[in-house]
Amino acid sequence: DAKTTQPTSMDCAEGRAANLPCNHSTISGNEYVYWYRQIHSQGPQYIIHGLKNNETNEMASLIITEDRKSSTLILPHATLRDTAVYYCIVSFGGGGSNYKLTFGKGTLLTVNP
Amino acid sequence: EPEVTQTPSHQVTQMGQEVILRCVPISNHLYFYWYRQILGQKVEFLVSFYNNEISEKSEIFDDQFSVERPDGSNFTLKIRSTKLEDSAMYFCASKPTGSGNTIYFGEGSWLTVV
Repeated sequence: DAKTTQPTSMDCAEGRAANLPCNHSTISGNEYVYWYRQIHSQGPQYIIHGLKNNETNEMASLIITEDRKSSTLILPHATLRDTAVYYCIVSFGGGGSNYKLTFGKGTLLTVNP
Repeated sequence: EPEVTQTPSHQVTQMGQEVILRCVPISNHLYFYWYRQILGQKVEFLVSFYNNEISEKSEIFDDQFSVERPDGSNFTLKIRSTKLEDSAMYFCASKPTGSGNTIYFGEGSWLTVV
């Protein structure tokens, strides 16, 4: 799986948009970009994933650059409960029995009142 | 919304004792996983399981670890003879078939070995 690079930490004001960047310059054509988060040692929580197109769901938006070498997770209106470690993971589509996710250190997002 | 459930949420055990961590994956999922996270460290892959056999295991998953799907709903992780360094949060996860599908994690079982 391609390696990802994320900032160690970021701060965001409550109510503002949080934009979390991720670099994945070695991503291959059939690899997806997944975002998970982990709130205080709870289980990793799926947020969103995408292949080429931008994606949006009820939690967040994912913007993938045209060359697919980087992406940004956007939390449109951050709340205190969004304080967590956010993981950007690049992985092949999960069709095979050896599919898994490999977690890095992620970005600690702190949402401040 | 369907979720992965794990029991116990917290277990304290003496070094050398056997521990079984239990998981109920999401009902229509066919791929199952165990991950662990030592306090302050990354979430680490232990093992994946599909079609009643191990698909892949990491270097961490040595002979003292085993997994089993004893019936149609449970998925267990057994640690035969626990060591102090096995103290960690253990996460079970599951995934349906198909490409691009998402892995869903349980809330974890916190194991403390004393």
